Amino acid sequence: DQQVKQNSPSLSVQEGRISILNCDYTNSMFDYFLWYKKYPAEGPTFLISISSIKDKNEDGRFTVFLNKSAKHLSLHIVPSQPGDSAVYFCAASANTDKLIFGTGTRLQVFP
Amino acid sequence: AAGVIQSPRHLIKEKRETATLKCYPIPRHDTVYWYQQGPGQDPQFLISFYEKMQSDKGSIPDRFSAQQFSDYHSELNMSSLELGDSALYFCASSLGRGDIYEQYFGPGTRLTVT
Repeated sequence: DQQVKQNSPSLSVQEGRISILNCDYTNSMFDYFLWYKKYPAEGPTFLISISSIKDKNEDGRFTVFLNKSAKHLSLHIVPSQPGDSAVYFCAASANTDKLIFGTGTRLQVFP
Repeated sequence: AAGVIQSPRHLIKEKRETATLKCYPIPRHDTVYWYQQGPGQDPQFLISFYEKMQSDKGSIPDRFSAQQFSDYHSELNMSSLELGDSALYFCASSLGRGDIYEQYFGPGTRLTVT
């Protein structure tokens, strides 16, 4: 049972445009959400997080939005750069050590 | 900046052999987490340690054991290896435990069981 879902396995965006990566979850006990970026042959790199008491968190080009009623979060990258091309995982936690990961979305930013 | 170190980066073992994976957390981080990522799958939480004590446990097989040492490094011991154990094993560390402390991942150890 996949508690965290990323329904788009891939996304292609032109450089300079906005990239929007989506994530849905089923467990209402999740109270903390994170986005990780992963390059081949490397471990996931932490990008940005959001607590369930907030609906938006911004850090430079990255903004995460949380819609608790829809159990949906999204990561916006503006403007997208070729170096952003990677696999993006959303992850969720229910006040435990365990992070539950989504299946990932491969983002490709082309010139 | 110092990152999480994992060794070895690659490991090839035969069925029924044992393997030991090592993880050195970021300096001052006191919490270590282990994840397993199979081919084409998302990372799955195995186990975590805080201040040298097991703090949470996920889908870790009984054939696996882990511990955290006084210098906060951790080792994942895997016995009676099976073909299905072939995966990327990530270690992550954080300063403090609980979900408000972001987990920083190492580069992973790729284990291949033949």
